Amino acid sequence: DQQVKQNSPSLSVQEGRISILNCDYTNSMFDYFLWYKKYPAEGPTFLISISSIKDKNEDGRFTVFLNKSAKHLSLHIVPSQPGDSAVYFCAASVGGNQFYFGTGTSLTVIP
Amino acid sequence: DTGVSQDPRHKITKRGQNVTFRCDPISEHNRLYWYRQTLGQGPEFLTYFQNEAQLEKSRLLSDRFSAERPKGSFSTLEIQRTEQGDSAMYLCASSLARASRDEQYFGPGTRLTVT
Repeated sequence: DQQVKQNSPSLSVQEGRISILNCDYTNSMFDYFLWYKKYPAEGPTFLISISSIKDKNEDGRFTVFLNKSAKHLSLHIVPSQPGDSAVYFCAASVGGNQFYFGTGTSLTVIP
Repeated sequence: DTGVSQDPRHKITKRGQNVTFRCDPISEHNRLYWYRQTLGQGPEFLTYFQNEAQLEKSRLLSDRFSAERPKGSFSTLEIQRTEQGDSAMYLCASSLARASRDEQYFGPGTRLTVT
């Protein structure tokens, strides 16, 4: 059972515009959410996280929004840069123990 | 380099053979995780340790899989009697568990091919 879902396998955005990556989850017990970026032949790299007690967390060009009632998480990247082209995974956990990952969204930022 | 390292990076083995992978976490991290990733999927949780104690195992982890972290530092993942379905990327991650944050740092992975 896929508890974390990323329904868009790919996304293309023009450089300088906003990239919005979406993630849905089914387990209402999840209390910690993360986004990772992955380049080919490398392990995922942590980007940003958010606790369920917040609805927004910002770090530079990256902002994560959490809508608990909709069980929806999104990552906004603005402005998008060509170096942001990668696969993005969202992940969720209960108490920081077992982490559940989505299937990933491949972002392409077009120069 | 103070990141998570994994060895080997690639392993090709014949069906039925045993394989062992090693993960060296970031030195001060007390948690260590193993994941498996197949093409088009996200990392799939296998097991995790806090210090030397194995605290949780996925029900997906069959009895052919065993993991150890003997001194709370490096960890090994062994697969016995490998099957073709075991072919995947095996990722290790470590973290310093804190009250509000538990960012995992991933290694580059070990790609296993079972022929």
